[in-house]
Amino acid sequence: AQSVTQLGSHVSVSEGALVLLRCNYSSSVPPYLFWYVQYPNQGLQLLLKYTSAATLVKGINGFEAEFKKSETSFHLTKPSAHMRDAAEYFCAVSEGNAGNMLTFGGGTRLMVKP
Amino acid sequence: NAGVTQTPKFQVLKTGQSMTLQCAQDMNHNSMYWYRQDPGMGLRLIYYSASEGTTDKGEVPNGYNVSRLNKREFSLRLESAAPSQTSVYFCASRGLGKDEQYFGPGTRLTVT
Repeated sequence: AQSVTQLGSHVSVSEGALVLLRCNYSSSVPPYLFWYVQYPNQGLQLLLKYTSAATLVKGINGFEAEFKKSETSFHLTKPSAHMRDAAEYFCAVSEGNAGNMLTFGGGTRLMVKP
Repeated sequence: NAGVTQTPKFQVLKTGQSMTLQCAQDMNHNSMYWYRQDPGMGLRLIYYSASEGTTDKGEVPNGYNVSRLNKREFSLRLESAAPSQTSVYFCASRGLGKDEQYFGPGTRLTVT
């Protein structure tokens, strides 16, 4: 069985500061890992994904994440936060099976202060 | 190309009423999914359809039924709504051989 834990349901940073959103997973097989972003009253949009290629993955809007197998982590970072980054972020894992079902973490709401 | 569309956007039901949430995708995707989103719990899979003609239970299927009407459409039915089914429901689809799922805008359902 797979599971995802996102540490911190709310994270607040100042504009221009580093963004770090934490994600740890458990999986019985090499996982596929995803970060999605949800802006208010919208659906989820894919930020980036890891599917067993390079461990440092770059996504849209300046975000990146590093897969660390030894730590079972896939933390999301951005060097400099913008006001428009305020949203909810979800980490998800898939074991790449036939249904490719995603298991999501509880989400982290990012607030950006001016 | 509208992607994944869902109707309705909002719905209020009384306990015991039934309704069907509609989902359609125009990306020729094989797989489709229904999730519910509740605060602090992320999204949980209700049912999915790996391909046209097949459906399978996800993590939280009780109280729901689904129909994969054709390759484009995947509906979710609540036969007898309960307050515990108050949630935001998302439909998603995935192309054959692809990893990522594409999500619709969601349906906000309140059961009183």
